[in-house]
Amino acid sequence: AQTVTQSQPEMSVQEAETVTLSCTYDTSESDYYLFWYKQPPSRQMILVIRQEAYKQQNATENRFSVNFQKAAKSFSLKISDSQLGDAAMYFCAYRMYSGGGADGLTFGKGTHLIIQP
Amino acid sequence: DSGVTQTPKHLITATGQRVTLRCSPRSGDLSVYWYQQSLDQGLQFLIQYYNGEERAKGNILERFSAQQFPDLHSELNLSSLELGDSALYFCASSVGQAIEQETQYFGPGTRLLVL
Repeated sequence: AQTVTQSQPEMSVQEAETVTLSCTYDTSESDYYLFWYKQPPSRQMILVIRQEAYKQQNATENRFSVNFQKAAKSFSLKISDSQLGDAAMYFCAYRMYSGGGADGLTFGKGTHLIIQP
Repeated sequence: DSGVTQTPKHLITATGQRVTLRCSPRSGDLSVYWYQQSLDQGLQFLIQYYNGEERAKGNILERFSAQQFPDLHSELNLSSLELGDSALYFCASSVGQAIEQETQYFGPGTRLLVL
C-alpha cells in the first residue's frame, strides 16, 4: 500500500519569507500523481499544485513550486513571499496512475503552517 | 468555490441512528469520491463512483454505503452510527475520463457529530 509522510506537524515563517514543506511517499508504482492541498480554517480543501511523476520538470503555480525527486520519493512544497492568507494546514497527497481514473487520494497527516506578521 | 456542493453542512445525531449525506459534482464531472477526515484517522478515502458505478473502495466500513444516481449526484449512507463516526465528510469530483484532467475538486464538507 502507498503511504505518504509529512514529518513536520507544524512550521512557522515570517510574512514575505520563503518556507518549504516536506513530503515523502512510498510506492512501487512508476507512474503516479502527487498533489498539495491547502485546508484553511474554513476547512475547504483547495488544490495548490499537482505533479505528474513522468514529468521531470517541477511544477510551479505563481508563488508555489515543488521540488520533485522521484528516486528519493520526495515531493516538497516551496512557498515564496509568504502571505497571511497562506496560513493553513497543507496536505501532501498521492494517487496512482490508472487509465480509468480509479482510486482515491492517499493523504499525509498534514503540516500546520503559521505565518508570523 | 470548487463547484462541488454538499448538504447538509452540519448534522447532529445520536448513536445507532442512520444519516444520508448528499453531494452534487461539478458540471461535467462523472467521478465522485467520498473522504472522511477525523482527528484519529486523518483524511481517508472511502469510495469512488464513476458514472453510476462503483469504481474503487478505500477504508469504508460495512455500515457505510454509497450510490451515484443517473443525474450524477451521490449519497453516502451511514448507519448504526457510533461516536467514532463523528468527522468531516468530504465529497470530491473529477472528470474521470482523461488522465490529464484527473484532478479532484473538493466540496465544503458535511460535519457530522454523533452524540
